[in-house]
Amino acid sequence: ELQLLESGGGLVQPGGSLRLSCAASGFTFRNYAISWVRQAPGKGLEWVSGISADGDSHYYADSVKGRFTISRDNSNNTLFLQMSSLRAEDTAVYYCVKDTGGNYLNWSFDLWGRGTLVTVSS
Amino acid sequence: ETTLTQSPAFMSATPGDKVNISCKASQDIDDDLNWYQQKPGEAAVFIIQEATTLVHGIPPRFSGSGYGIDFTLTIKNIESADAAFYFCLQHDNFPPSFGQGTKLEIK
Repeated sequence: ELQLLESGGGLVQPGGSLRLSCAASGFTFRNYAISWVRQAPGKGLEWVSGISADGDSHYYADSVKGRFTISRDNSNNTLFLQMSSLRAEDTAVYYCVKDTGGNYLNWSFDLWGRGTLVTVSS
Repeated sequence: ETTLTQSPAFMSATPGDKVNISCKASQDIDDDLNWYQQKPGEAAVFIIQEATTLVHGIPPRFSGSGYGIDFTLTIKNIESADAAFYFCLQHDNFPPSFGQGTKLEIK
């Protein structure tokens, strides 16, 4: 079964850091680009960051550039999002999504995880 | 950057009804638009790709139309299982962007 399973969410204070993980199964992880998408409470979906299949190309939304770092471990079929200098407005459910492209990202997503909740609050 | 305006935000339907959900782009995006269905606590499901193509395994009660700026998701013969949050995604240009979503309630 094709699956993406996010973990690592939780409560963190403003200015703090958190690392999200996404475990993939059911497909050849190393062949596909992956992105993170988030949804703040009561808000729409927002693309956050994407990484190419080989891990060499990284892309970020302006709202997180310089604070978040995306990476992947193709040997262990896992995607990461290192988040630092967290703000209240980063509070959201974070989803891991599979791209239909590989080293060239299509920004078309065909598989979603269930998400992990990040709450930034003192 | 492309803004997608999705409407309505909420709608209620009766089993057997036909419903239309609109997604309007702020610029021409060809047919680079997808539709998704998400139920509470579950992963979103990919239902329509490239504006009009039904994803494998999705019932033909679902259909998509449109090109350029105006797009529509149509669900015919609504069933109680169709109660969900529906949203569109444009992948024509960077960054990818989403509609605000439509919550569909079944009476």
